[in-house]
Amino acid sequence: DVKVTQSSRYLVKRTGEKVFLECVQDMDHENMFWYRQDPGLGLRLIYFSYDVKMKEKGDIPEGYSVSREKKERFSLILESASTNQTSMYLCASSDGTSGYNEQFFGPGTRLTVL
Amino acid sequence: DAKTTQPPSMDCAEGRAANLPCNHSTISGNEYVYWYRQIHSQGPQYIIHGLKNNETNEMASLIITEDRKSSTLILPHATLRDTAVYYCIVRNRRAGAQKLVFGQGTRLTINP
Repeated sequence: DVKVTQSSRYLVKRTGEKVFLECVQDMDHENMFWYRQDPGLGLRLIYFSYDVKMKEKGDIPEGYSVSREKKERFSLILESASTNQTSMYLCASSDGTSGYNEQFFGPGTRLTVL
Repeated sequence: DAKTTQPPSMDCAEGRAANLPCNHSTISGNEYVYWYRQIHSQGPQYIIHGLKNNETNEMASLIITEDRKSSTLILPHATLRDTAVYYCIVRNRRAGAQKLVFGQGTRLTINP
């Protein structure tokens, strides 16, 4: 089975802190994604990556950056956390070659910024 | 991607089959039907997908009508752990990365 793991289930940070969220997948998938999920707003794509060192902005990249130095690892960075970044953050991966594009998600990180 | 319509909520008794409908009347010929679910406070989970033939895996069965305008996800013997929000989406098969966009989904409650 595909396994996608995220570094923390719950995280509490203060406004202005730099925050790192880590995601690791063990299925050699090309594509990796970071979403945030908020009540009433659904799933929103922050950034995605289709290869090592490649990244593309999603729908809401402001205030975030990403890093993909190794194929299995995709990091989301909040440069200076703000209270409006309090959310559930979800990492996903998918096989980029088959075209079926089913995405496999991690358990999520619930981030609270005080 | 074609729009989908699902009932907002459903109930099912434990041990019975749960049948979740989805309408996708504007689906095009090269679009697949995908189902995901999200259990409370967890990440979404891929369940199954299909094009026009019925599909079955260890989790569920997917029945797609001949005209492909609707489909039904079947959980054959629902358990309490199947309580979740179920999302039906349609999308093209193509290489590369595609974002997922969920609608409101169906909140399925399995009752003991």
